[in-house]
Amino acid sequence: DTEVTQTPKHLVMGMTNKKSLKCEQHMGHRAMYWYKQKAKKPPELMFVYSYEKLSINESVPSRFSPECPNSSLLNLHLHALQPEDSALYLCASSHRGENEKLFFGSGTQLSVL
Amino acid sequence: SQQGEEDPQALSIQEGENATMNCSYKTSINNLQWYRQNSGRGLVHLILIRSNEREKHSGRLRVTLDTSKKSSSLLITASRAADTASYFCATAGAYNTDKLIFGTGTRLQVFP
Repeated sequence: DTEVTQTPKHLVMGMTNKKSLKCEQHMGHRAMYWYKQKAKKPPELMFVYSYEKLSINESVPSRFSPECPNSSLLNLHLHALQPEDSALYLCASSHRGENEKLFFGSGTQLSVL
Repeated sequence: SQQGEEDPQALSIQEGENATMNCSYKTSINNLQWYRQNSGRGLVHLILIRSNEREKHSGRLRVTLDTSKKSSSLLITASRAADTASYFCATAGAYNTDKLIFGTGTRLQVFP
């Protein structure tokens, strides 16, 4: 299994809603990532978990809250988002050590109304 | 910022032609990677080159790295319509390889 699975594929939410994005991998990868991508822009790193601990937070606003319940799962909890947070949210995973290439999910397209 | 700059921003070629994309970056790196993204989908890893390597090949792909100029190039030979996508370079920092930062990207269009 070489897939990273993200759910849902599409999400529309109001500014007062609370929602969660989910990501799952069964490749035994010990690093997991959240990226945000606006249209026609490169992915921007948000968070990195390494061995289930948050190792990188790129000064992301607190309305985005990551969680890594176990080595296969990664969540991104969303609360009180703004319309400018509308974007494609990508999850990725990798082995640590010599082979650092990232495997990406197909993303969640988020629209905040 | 570590982010790479890529040029050209967009490239249109005919099938069978070669496509070359360039990436420049600002800080010391452990490795540089190239990814491909079809419209609105996840990214797919193409090739990784380490800071002590100068050139690497994978099928129709050839990547070069010049650490003295902080630049890399991706050559796709004998392009196909299916190569139409956005291509991004990404750099892993010398001191934190978990931090993979993407360049601005090149949108490649290959016409049949």
